[in-house]
Amino acid sequence: ETGVTQTPRHLVMGMTNKKSLKCEQHLGHNAMYWYKQSAKKPLELMFVYSLEERVENNSVPSRFSPECPNSSHLFLHLHTLQPEDSALYLCASSQIYPGLAGPAGQETQYFGPGTRLLVL
Amino acid sequence: EDQVTQSPEALRLQEGESSSLNCSYTVSGLRGLFWYRQDPGKGPEFLFTLYSAGEEKEKERLKATLTKKESFLHITAPKPEDSATYLCAVQGGSQGNLIFGKGTKLSVKP
Repeated sequence: ETGVTQTPRHLVMGMTNKKSLKCEQHLGHNAMYWYKQSAKKPLELMFVYSLEERVENNSVPSRFSPECPNSSHLFLHLHTLQPEDSALYLCASSQIYPGLAGPAGQETQYFGPGTRLLVL
Repeated sequence: EDQVTQSPEALRLQEGESSSLNCSYTVSGLRGLFWYRQDPGKGPEFLFTLYSAGEEKEKERLKATLTKKESFLHITAPKPEDSATYLCAVQGGSQGNLIFGKGTKLSVKP
C-alpha cells in the first residue's frame, strides 16, 4: 500500500464525453504529479503541482485539465479525448517538489495504482 | 538531452538463475537514480534510490549498483514472485523531473 489512491480504476469513454480522474494521497506530501503510461513507451510527465500551485505543464493538449484543490487531492478533467489518449494514467506524490532543495529522499515519488482509460 | 535506456527489453529466467538488468543514462547533473517495480495493472512500486557512483543498495534478492554512466539491478536466485517490469528513472537538472526508461519485463519460471 503506497498511500496514494486513484479512482476510478477503469474508465471507458466516448470522444464527446467529459469525465474526471481523482487522486488522493495520505502521506502528507506537498507535491503531486500526473503521468501517462502507454504501451512500449516510457512514463510521460504531464503535470506537476507543488503546494497546490501548478509548476509544470509539459505541452499537454488542452483537452486535459488538471486541478489541485488542496495538497492531498489532484484531479484530471478530461473532455473531447481522442482514441490515442487511451493509456494508464498514474498519479504520484512526493514530500517536496524536486526543484526545491531538501534532504535526500524527500523527492522520492510514490505512485498510485493508476486509471486504465479507454477512449472509443 | 537527458535519456535513459534499459536492457534487455525482456528477460526470462528459471527460478534460481541469477542475472542483471541494465540502465544506461545520460543526464546533466545527476541528482538521483531510481528503481521501481511494476506489476501488471498496477502503479510503479519504489525500490531504491542511488545518489552517487559506487553506491550500492540491497533489498531481499535485489541489489542495485551505480556508476557514472549506468546502473545495474542484480537479481540473485530469483523466484516466480519477482516477475514484473522493472523501471529505471533518473533525476537531474534544475527542475529535477524524473526521466524514465521503457523498462525490463522479467519473467521467472518455476
